[in-house]
Amino acid sequence: RKEVEQDPGPFNVPEGATVAFNCTYSNSASQSFFWYRQDCRKEPKLLMSVYSSGNEDGRFTAQLNRASQYISLLIRDSKLSDSATYLCVVTTDSWGKFQFGAGTQVVVTP
Amino acid sequence: ETGVTQTPRHLVMGMTNKKSLKCEQHLGHNAMYWYKQSAKKPLELMFVYSLEERVENNSVPSRFSPECPNSSHLFLHLHTLQPEDSALYLCASSQDRGNNYGYTFGSGTRLTVV
Repeated sequence: RKEVEQDPGPFNVPEGATVAFNCTYSNSASQSFFWYRQDCRKEPKLLMSVYSSGNEDGRFTAQLNRASQYISLLIRDSKLSDSATYLCVVTTDSWGKFQFGAGTQVVVTP
Repeated sequence: ETGVTQTPRHLVMGMTNKKSLKCEQHLGHNAMYWYKQSAKKPLELMFVYSLEERVENNSVPSRFSPECPNSSHLFLHLHTLQPEDSALYLCASSQDRGNNYGYTFGSGTRLTVV
């Protein structure tokens, strides 16, 4: 089983709609969680951290479910500029132990 | 300059060449990383440096040789690479293990081995 699994998509989303997707992780000792965004042929950029109680940043909402070992990302009122690959990152408190998912591709269409 | 800067952005090299990738961070971070990203695959950790000391080496072939002369600079020396080494090589930095604020990535070097 992969340490971090994501649905590769693509999720085709009409502009203005809501899209949500999950990421599951296998290590129950995982402590920190992040969502990164990666545009085509560019580097990953931190989108948001994921906190235990869930957190929101504008149109983006992240949730953590420790019991079922998954995190989620919800994008409301999708914009064309939200088209990207979203990488899930899970880590324990060890050096270099950031585990990246392969990414979920989101395509927002006019 | 700010953030994490990588050079060159693109590199084409033959299997017998020797080249080096350079990474520089201007964030005052104390840890730096090399990652490899191949198409449709998760990022693969290659090396971790904390305060210029290598703390992780993920069974990377010896044809890849890292160097960290100080906490702001990281190099990846390449020699006798194989075509399957063609990928995007990403440098990243963090403060400590990065658990609080994540990693900051450079824009990467897209390497093609011919």
